[in-house]
Amino acid sequence: DTAVSQTPKYLVTQMGNDKSIKCEQNLGHDTMYWYKQDSKKFLKIMFSYNNKELIINETVPNRFSPKSPDKAHLNLHINSLELGDSAVYFCASSQGLAGVWEQYFGPGTRLTVT
Amino acid sequence: KNEVEQSPQNLTAQEGEFITINCSYSVGISALHWLQQHPGGGIVSLFMLSSGKKKHGRLIATINIQEKHSSLHITASHPRDSAVYICAIFGNEKLTFGTGTRLTIIP
Repeated sequence: DTAVSQTPKYLVTQMGNDKSIKCEQNLGHDTMYWYKQDSKKFLKIMFSYNNKELIINETVPNRFSPKSPDKAHLNLHINSLELGDSAVYFCASSQGLAGVWEQYFGPGTRLTVT
Repeated sequence: KNEVEQSPQNLTAQEGEFITINCSYSVGISALHWLQQHPGGGIVSLFMLSSGKKKHGRLIATINIQEKHSSLHITASHPRDSAVYICAIFGNEKLTFGTGTRLTIIP
């Protein structure tokens, strides 16, 4: 059974479009995250949710909006896509709040904006 | 300057060699993580440390809180260890990642 799953795995779209990436975890964890990994492979946290509440919101354009319908899901919606949004987006989950609990990562979604 | 610095950036070694990857940081932390990113892109958490030393199979992670330094060691390295190893710290209520060390083990 996949612990943290993301869909889609690949997403190719044009500038200006709106797209969503879905994430689901079946580990019973309370906390979920979205990370962005740029072309230089640098990972950066974008958002963290704990029990469906936003905990961490790093400096991310407000075109990015996370939505957590329940503890097991954290979706990422991106409006008006730009070339610079091209990256790999990873979802992760942990038992408790960021940093002091082991994190479990999804397989990543490679977003390409043309 | 990044709060987390890793060295070396790239490391190539022969199968069987003992590998050390270093992570230095500049802020007080609650925990430090070592992650492994496979060539296919998947990320796996290897260790989470707040003090001392942890061992899992051929992998050993140590941390010195006073010196703000952690090391990841791989004994009897194998080509399947080839990956990017990423250090991340949790301090000032945020998680900050290093730029990673790309390890290549040659058979």
